[in-house]
Amino acid sequence: QKEVEQNSGPLSVPEGAIASLNCTYSDRGSQSFFWYRQYSGKSPELIMSIYSNGDKEDGRFTAQLNKASQYVSLLIRDSQPSDSATYLCAVENEGTSYDKVIFGPGTSLSVIP
Amino acid sequence: ETGVTQTPRHLVMGMTNKKSLKCEQHLGHNAMYWYKQSAKKPLELMFVYSLEERVENNSVPSRFSPECPNSSHLFLHLHTLQPEDSALYLCASSQVGVGSRAFFGQGTRLTVV
Repeated sequence: QKEVEQNSGPLSVPEGAIASLNCTYSDRGSQSFFWYRQYSGKSPELIMSIYSNGDKEDGRFTAQLNKASQYVSLLIRDSQPSDSATYLCAVENEGTSYDKVIFGPGTSLSVIP
Repeated sequence: ETGVTQTPRHLVMGMTNKKSLKCEQHLGHNAMYWYKQSAKKPLELMFVYSLEERVENNSVPSRFSPECPNSSHLFLHLHTLQPEDSALYLCASSQVGVGSRAFFGQGTRLTVV
C-alpha cells in the first residue's frame, strides 16, 4: 500500500526561526511532490511543488527532494505567526487515478511570537 | 478564491435525510475529485472523474453517490448517512498529467445528527 508519512506535531518554533517539515513516502515510482498549507477550518492551498532531486526555493519556502532516500522536506525561513497552520505533503504516482495522489496526515506548525 | 466553488459551506442533516453537495470549477480542468477529511486523519480520496471516466475508492460506502454531468460540475449525493460520516468534504479539480496539482474548494462541513 502506498503511504506518505509525516510527523503530526505540533511543531513549535519561535518567530524568525527556520521551521523544518519532513515527509517520507513508500512508492519509489513517485514522480511529483507537493506541499499544501491548510489553515484551521479552511481548505488546503498549494504552496510548493517539486519534481527533481535537489532544492527549490520560492521566497521564504524551500522544498528539498531526495528520491534515493524517499524523502521530501519543506523549510520555512524567518517563520511568521501567519505561517501557523497544518502542512500537508502530497505525492503523485503513476497508476490509477484513485491512488495517483496520496496525502500525508499533515504536520501542525505553531509559530510563537 | 481558487476557482473551485462548493455549496453549501455547512450542512447539518439527520440520518434519514437526503442531501446533495455541489461543486463547480471555472478553471477549464478535466478532472474533479471528492475528498473526505476527518479529524486527525489524512485526506481520503473518495471519487475521481477524470477525462469523463469515474474511478472510485472501493472502501467508500454506497450511501455516497457521485454525479458529474459535465467537466465543470460535480455533485455528491448523500442518503441515510451515519454520525461517523461527519467531516469536511472537499472538492478539487486538476488538469490531468504529471505534476497535475489539485486546486481545492472551500469545503462543506457536514454534521450528521
